[in-house]
Amino acid sequence: EPEVTQTPSHQVTQMGQEVILRCVPISNHLYFYWYRQILGQKVEFLVSFYNNEISEKSEIFDDQFSVERPDGSNFTLKIRSTKLEDSAMYFCASARDRYPDTQYFGPGTRLTVL
Amino acid sequence: AQRVTQPEKLLSVFKGAPVELKCNYSYSGSPELFWYVQYSRQRLQLLLRHISRESIKGFTADLNKGETSFHLKKPFAQEEDSAMYYCALSGPGNTGKLIFGQGTTLQVKP
Repeated sequence: EPEVTQTPSHQVTQMGQEVILRCVPISNHLYFYWYRQILGQKVEFLVSFYNNEISEKSEIFDDQFSVERPDGSNFTLKIRSTKLEDSAMYFCASARDRYPDTQYFGPGTRLTVL
Repeated sequence: AQRVTQPEKLLSVFKGAPVELKCNYSYSGSPELFWYVQYSRQRLQLLLRHISRESIKGFTADLNKGETSFHLKKPFAQEEDSAMYYCALSGPGNTGKLIFGQGTTLQVKP
């Protein structure tokens, strides 16, 4: 059964550095999402992406964040200048269709900002 | 405001006991409600959704629009049900984003 994959599984970075988190969605899916979960808190929506553009973003998704689908298979989340409070688990998800289709989640990338 | 509330952080039951994981939501309109489960060291995966009205692994959930609830139930808990359970909603007015509750850890003791 196809699965969403994410790399790396754990990323440690210094405050102020740029990080890129990578995701490979399921191949025939068209809708892509990033969520994050700070330790002990709920899973929060960051951004949704369709047809090569952002369709919705949350208040968390400020100018430090960007997303890209560079080559038709990867879906990346970039944080330009990481802050301590960016430390979290980041989940990628994909769906074949929009509401109310099922979203399939990747295993997550744990980002630790020192 | 769109919100999902799971009032219990931890629910601990003995094997064979009934389970009810509570979920209440706030949404103006007709959302789609989901239960996602995360077993230890595994990814979030869909357990069930209200639109399909099916029972998965013995779990059921009924959408009660009057009480704005979508509680997850199972008549007889098994040890392998121990996991983190998240209630989530998605609405027709958005792009499919999921709004999650805080999650409830279900611990089934032998």
